[in-house]
Amino acid sequence: DIHMTQSPLSLSASVGDRVTITCRASQSLSSHLNWYQQKVGKVPTLLIYGASSLSSGVPSRFSGRGSGTEFTLTISSLQVEDFATYYCQQTYSTSWTFGQGTKVEIK
Amino acid sequence: EVQLVESGGGLVQSGRSLRLSCAASGFTFDNHAMHWVRQAPGKGLEWVSGISWNSDIIGYADSVKGRFTISRDNAKNSLYLQMNSLRVEDTALYYCAKDDGGISIFGFGYYLDYWGQGTLVTVSS
Repeated sequence: DIHMTQSPLSLSASVGDRVTITCRASQSLSSHLNWYQQKVGKVPTLLIYGASSLSSGVPSRFSGRGSGTEFTLTISSLQVEDFATYYCQQTYSTSWTFGQGTKVEIK
Repeated sequence: EVQLVESGGGLVQSGRSLRLSCAASGFTFDNHAMHWVRQAPGKGLEWVSGISWNSDIIGYADSVKGRFTISRDNAKNSLYLQMNSLRVEDTALYYCAKDDGGISIFGFGYYLDYWGQGTLVTVSS
């Protein structure tokens, strides 16, 4: 299986901060990389697909970049509703995998 | 409206079997690959298995390969997961998820766009 490593695993930030989460893959994914948000007690929702395409209805403060083995998710100005856990996911095979998740908490 | 409703979870002893089902509605089921994703209590997401629209392409996580079998019945708009030789570490909330319906070079779609609410599987020792 392709192994996905997210960093950091947790972070504390304030409303208005710029936040960046990194996801590294054990092999090249081209652009087969997605980002999901999961709030406590809720089902995950898609944020970014294809490394950089914003899913429908997702605010433009979210953006994704990268290709190959290194990817980033950036929240340009953190809002209260963005406090959640974020997961990257690779779909470059018939055995998909998620990163460990990054928990974004209020400072 | 897309709906995915999982069922079949419960408490089972280690080594036993369980079959999960997912009833789908609100979209053309046989146009989409489908997947199972699980989440152990307080832990992250783990992709378990996926199946292409026509069942030609199937994939499993290494952690369940040889023990779990995914299948689908397009006539019944249903997805299944047969889980054998269950282990305590299989304890999790199991989600059924629909993929976007694209077909990548690997035979699945590109991302998961709808998820069910999950069914809880608890494996006791």
